[in-house]
Amino acid sequence: GAVVSQHPSRVICKSGTSVKIECRSLDFQATTMFWYRQFPKQSLMLMATSNEGSKATYEQGVEKDKFLINHASLTLSTLTVTSAHPEDSSFYICSASSGSGETQYFGPGTRLLVL
Amino acid sequence: AQSVSQHNHHVILSEAASLELGCNYSYGGTVNLFWYVQYPGQHLQLLLKYFSGDPLVKGIKGFEAEFIKSKFSFNLRKPSVQWSDTAEYFCAVTPSGGYQKVTFGTGTKLQVIP
Repeated sequence: GAVVSQHPSRVICKSGTSVKIECRSLDFQATTMFWYRQFPKQSLMLMATSNEGSKATYEQGVEKDKFLINHASLTLSTLTVTSAHPEDSSFYICSASSGSGETQYFGPGTRLLVL
Repeated sequence: AQSVSQHNHHVILSEAASLELGCNYSYGGTVNLFWYVQYPGQHLQLLLKYFSGDPLVKGIKGFEAEFIKSKFSFNLRKPSVQWSDTAEYFCAVTPSGGYQKVTFGTGTKLQVIP
């Protein structure tokens, strides 16, 4: 149980375009979903926390207008990287939690390359 | 705010050797502690977690971790590693109480040589 999927697994886009990444909890309802960014050889950095039906809470230094997060249902959250630039190239990982929310289950990640 | 440090960045062991990966955290209140593993090309998986109770926690694949409150530590151990344990291991901490921000350590890359 507690499976989280992400789509796409990797995406290449041109600078200036927008990219949407989906995160789904497959076998449980995720009241809270988290979006992380992982740079090479570094740890996961939390970007934002989203609760179903409400606005996401962004971490300091994360541009909310650039990284749009929507958590429209208990099984789906989306991260849209708007007007992507090469420096946005990274590995984006989502996680989801339910119930007490104290354990997070991670998706496989999405590798974004902006040319 | 909480923080986590993992002192070993890269560990190389021979098969059957014992493993201990260090994890220290900093936070003024009660915490939940986690170890996650990321096998090559795969996503993060929960290895074990500590919320309360017995400070010695047993996880999957023969791993265990001990929470020593006085030392703010949550070291991961395995008595005999296998080649398949080659992976990156992340320690994480969150304040107790649900829906709290999880802070990850920088990770320890374990390489097990057959």
